[in-house]
Amino acid sequence: KAGVTQTPRYLIKTRGQQVTLSCSPISGHRSVSWYQQTPGQGLQFLFEYFSETQRNKGNFPGRFSGRQFSNSRSEMNVSTLELGDSALYLCASSSWRDRSSYEQYFGPGTRLTVT
Amino acid sequence: SQKIEQNSEALNIQEGKTATLTCNYTNYSPAYLQWYRQDPGRGPVFLLLIRENEKEKRKERLKVTFDTTLKQSLFHITASQPADSATYLCARMNYGGATNKLIFGTGTLLAVQP
Repeated sequence: KAGVTQTPRYLIKTRGQQVTLSCSPISGHRSVSWYQQTPGQGLQFLFEYFSETQRNKGNFPGRFSGRQFSNSRSEMNVSTLELGDSALYLCASSSWRDRSSYEQYFGPGTRLTVT
Repeated sequence: SQKIEQNSEALNIQEGKTATLTCNYTNYSPAYLQWYRQDPGRGPVFLLLIRENEKEKRKERLKVTFDTTLKQSLFHITASQPADSATYLCARMNYGGATNKLIFGTGTLLAVQP
């Protein structure tokens, strides 16, 4: 079974621009979560989508948004980029078939650098 | 707020010894604690999950304990090898409806010396 894939793997943008990152979950997984990882703050939860609906959202400004498509693929968008948005953005999928399927499978991440 | 802390930023041990990593949480008990391994430039990889009503869980050379009185989880790697060198993250998940939100600790960088 193919793992979680994220594109692009690396991205360089300038302040004020916007960016869209893409995530394809493991086949059959309906839950997709996004995390931001920085050296100072560690891994922080951005939001989670399940069956095209946002189920939960972390403490990030409205510049961070996402969506999920009917095939469970997900995108996240960051508008008006700031230097502090430079981070590794990780996507994770989960089957959520029953209460025992809580483990999340992470993709390799997208390294975003804002200059 | 819900916090989760990993005591050591880094841990150096000799090959063959047991590595013990600590994860402490504040406020109310999480329903589940998960442990992940992360290598440089890669996403975290799920290792073990322990529920609040379980005291211990094992998988090969890995063992996790959960002490709700101390609000602490310990993660052990026995007979450690240089290939075990990585950052290990603990994460909490609470009851509270259908959500996959995980709150991660900052991680412990384990270095196993040959």
